[in-house]
Amino acid sequence: GAVVSQHPSWVICKSGTSVKIECRSLDFQATTMFWYRQFPKQSLMLMATSNEGSKATYEQGVEKDKFLINHASLTLSTLTVTSAHPEDSSFYICSARDDGTRNEQFFGPGTRLTVL
Amino acid sequence: GDSVTQMEGPVTLSEEAFLTINCTYTATGYPSLFWYVQYPGEGLQLLLKATKADDKGSNKGFEATYRKETTSFHLEKGSVQVSDSAVYFCALTPKAAGNKLTFGGGTRVLVKP
Repeated sequence: GAVVSQHPSWVICKSGTSVKIECRSLDFQATTMFWYRQFPKQSLMLMATSNEGSKATYEQGVEKDKFLINHASLTLSTLTVTSAHPEDSSFYICSARDDGTRNEQFFGPGTRLTVL
Repeated sequence: GDSVTQMEGPVTLSEEAFLTINCTYTATGYPSLFWYVQYPGEGLQLLLKATKADDKGSNKGFEATYRKETTSFHLEKGSVQVSDSAVYFCALTPKAAGNKLTFGGGTRVLVKP
């Protein structure tokens, strides 16, 4: 079946540093990927839609200069949390929409970010 | 805007018990509705879906019926197993939204032997 990987699965960083999270579709192409954020015991909140070869579309209230998204290939999107602060600590989940006939979203396992 | 409300957990059941997780939604038009499941340590997986009123989605013994009149999409399973222990998310996407999903808060289900 379709698999989406995320790397790293968890990361701890100091306040003020930047962290990059990768999302890869392993066996299908994905022109569109999505980035979500999930707080403890809360729902997934869509942060942005990542489009291969073009700028990401951010949801209202999401700072695009803080959460940089790059989707340089049909199988890879990256989310960079710049100048991270403790309030950015969260669980970040990506999904990739299969360009093929299925047109279904497949989710990665998530990345736990802790900012000290 | 669109929203999804589902019952809070955790829900603790014995094996072979009947499971119901309530889900209601608010949306303009007629969205597509989904149930996703997240097993421990894994990513979300699509469990079932329904794209129009009165459709019934089913998979792995789970069922949910798209009820337009009550704006609901309740998840049911007649006899749960320990392996059904997971977090279940109800979600919707407007037809023209390019698959942007709006999720409910998730319901943790724990099935005890």
